Amino acid sequence: GAVVSQHPSRVICKSGTSVKIECRSLDFQATTMFWYRQFPKQSLMLMATSNEGSKATYEQGVEKDKFLINHASLTLSTLTVTSAHPEDSSFYICSAMPPGPNTEAFFGQGTRLTVV
Amino acid sequence: DQQVKQNSPSLSVQEGRISILNCDYTNSMFDYFLWYKKYPAEGPTFLISISSIKDKNEDGRFTVFLNKSAKHLSLHIVPSQPGDSAVYFCAARASGNTPLVFGKGTRLSVIA
Repeated sequence: GAVVSQHPSRVICKSGTSVKIECRSLDFQATTMFWYRQFPKQSLMLMATSNEGSKATYEQGVEKDKFLINHASLTLSTLTVTSAHPEDSSFYICSAMPPGPNTEAFFGQGTRLTVV
Repeated sequence: DQQVKQNSPSLSVQEGRISILNCDYTNSMFDYFLWYKKYPAEGPTFLISISSIKDKNEDGRFTVFLNKSAKHLSLHIVPSQPGDSAVYFCAARASGNTPLVFGKGTRLSVIA
């Protein structure tokens, strides 16, 4: 099946610093990628839709200035958590869908962010 | 407002028996439904899907049933195996390049 690679898998950063998470579709081109966040024992909550070559679309309640998304190519989207705080600690997951109707979304391995 | 609901947070089943995981949705625009399996600290992995034009899709031990009039779908795993123990997420989306909307998940424990 299609592969989506997410990096890093785990990161610990100091409060106030920024962290960049990369999401790559390895064997297909993705005009759209999605970023999710999962709190402990909770569902995956959509944060934003990343569109290649244009601005991301953010879900209600997600601060676009805090969670910067860049989708510079058809195979790479990045999520940068700026000025991270302990409450940003979470599990972040990206996904992408190959083109075509009724295709499943493939997910990256996820990134565990811990802000200390 | 939760558009995809999995009302059972956990389910425990004996090895060899059938596991039935349920999911309800509210958005009538959803036309594609998927089940994902997830282990801690990993991304979800796709299991099986069903389009709204069907009412059943089978893949090995996994079968998904869709009842559009009731806006309900279920995942059947038979026979259940200890390796099936994980959190199962139901997801749905509308047509086009739209994001998946997930339920809260059901933790399945298969006891040997």
